Amino acid sequence: KNEVEQSPQNLTAQEEEFITINCSYSVGISALHWLQQHPGGGIVSLFMLSSGKKKHGRLIATINIQEKHSSLHITASHPRDSAVYICAVPMYSGGGADGLTFGKGTHLIIQP
Amino acid sequence: NAGVMQNPRHLVRRRGQEARLRCSPMKGHSHVYWYRQLPEEGLKFMVYLQKENIIDESGMPKERFSAEFPKEGPSILRIQQVVRGDSAAYFCASSPPMERAFFGQGTRLTVV
Repeated sequence: KNEVEQSPQNLTAQEEEFITINCSYSVGISALHWLQQHPGGGIVSLFMLSSGKKKHGRLIATINIQEKHSSLHITASHPRDSAVYICAVPMYSGGGADGLTFGKGTHLIIQP
Repeated sequence: NAGVMQNPRHLVRRRGQEARLRCSPMKGHSHVYWYRQLPEEGLKFMVYLQKENIIDESGMPKERFSAEFPKEGPSILRIQQVVRGDSAAYFCASSPPMERAFFGQGTRLTVV
């Protein structure tokens, strides 16, 4: 089964700072997911990526399949970006449609 | 096209009662996943279903828990004889085959 490590566990930054959250996993995958969870709220899927880089607004996700590593970046961070960011990968090697296994999440707080 | 709909959003049950959690996947999505998030813990896979079939239930507790995804109607996660340790947020996700999963808002179960 795949295992996921995320860092940092907690991150507090000032508004406008550039944020990086890292994710490593143990076995080869078809795609990696980045999710966002607000306190008391649901889960939003930000990205699903299998290679290279994806960008959506101020969010950028990159993945290096050979190194089994992904990063989520937030440019010009804003207090409304405060949330838990979770990395997830398929439970089994090459399992595209399998259930996901999750990192413990990064608790991000952006202060004004 | 409405998102993944879960109901109820909040559910309170006394110890020993049954809890039924419903999930209506997005239109056209044939894969449904249930995940559990215990207080102060990360998300954990419970079960993966397709219409009328359980594909992977490796994350389901062996007793008291069951899930179904009938030909017609929502997917149901059923917990019999609930105990305090079942208190958690239960999330449903759906996806087409091999594509990004969309998450519901979750059902927060409290056992008193």
